[in-house]
Amino acid sequence: QVQLVESGGGVVQPGRSLRLSCATSGFTFSRYGMHWVRQAPGKGLEWVAIIWYDGSNKYYTDSVKGRFTISRDNSKNTLYLQMNSLRGEDTAVYYCARDNHYGLDVWGQGTTVTVSS
Amino acid sequence: QSALTQPPSASGSPGQSVTISCTGTSSDVGGYNYVSWYQQHPGKAPKLIIYEVSKRPSGVPDRFSGSKSGNTASLTVSGLRAEDEADYYCSSYAGSNNLVFGGGTKLTVL
Repeated sequence: QVQLVESGGGVVQPGRSLRLSCATSGFTFSRYGMHWVRQAPGKGLEWVAIIWYDGSNKYYTDSVKGRFTISRDNSKNTLYLQMNSLRGEDTAVYYCARDNHYGLDVWGQGTTVTVSS
Repeated sequence: QSALTQPPSASGSPGQSVTISCTGTSSDVGGYNYVSWYQQHPGKAPKLIIYEVSKRPSGVPDRFSGSKSGNTASLTVSGLRAEDEADYYCSSYAGSNNLVFGGGTKLTVL
């Protein structure tokens, strides 16, 4: 079955880096754009970034531009989010999700990132 | 990239219908037919229930329906059931390859 599994979350100090991974299975990964979406504790969903199916284009929400990098390895069916210069406001559950004309039709279970000293 | 506006809460009794609104601008909701709705139960990942304004993914009951008029999209849940109690989020394509979500609506089944 179609599945997305995030990993790489944890507790990190402000200013440090973290890389999230999203392992996919059950579908042809290289045919789909992919998103990262986050949810701060007790808050709503916030779109973070999208990468096109072939990795040729990447777009970010303003608050993470220059700090986060989305990437993918289609040979490994895996999506990544490199997060640098982390801030307290980046604390959230991070979800990866598959794109279907800007409807996110498959979601992972999420991985928790806590930025704290 | 301002968030779409949703009412913080909505409620209805079992069997009734409830409609949740999602208001944006001509740069997002009003400009594209890429409005989606998600259901999220506590501690769970969101689930897509409506995409492209009014289309339902396979397996989503037809009690869930979507529509749009101008800059406002709406989700209607008919024949409310206890398991429909959850948070609901709208999203819209906002141009320049950006996506924007609403603030979410907590639906209570009385």
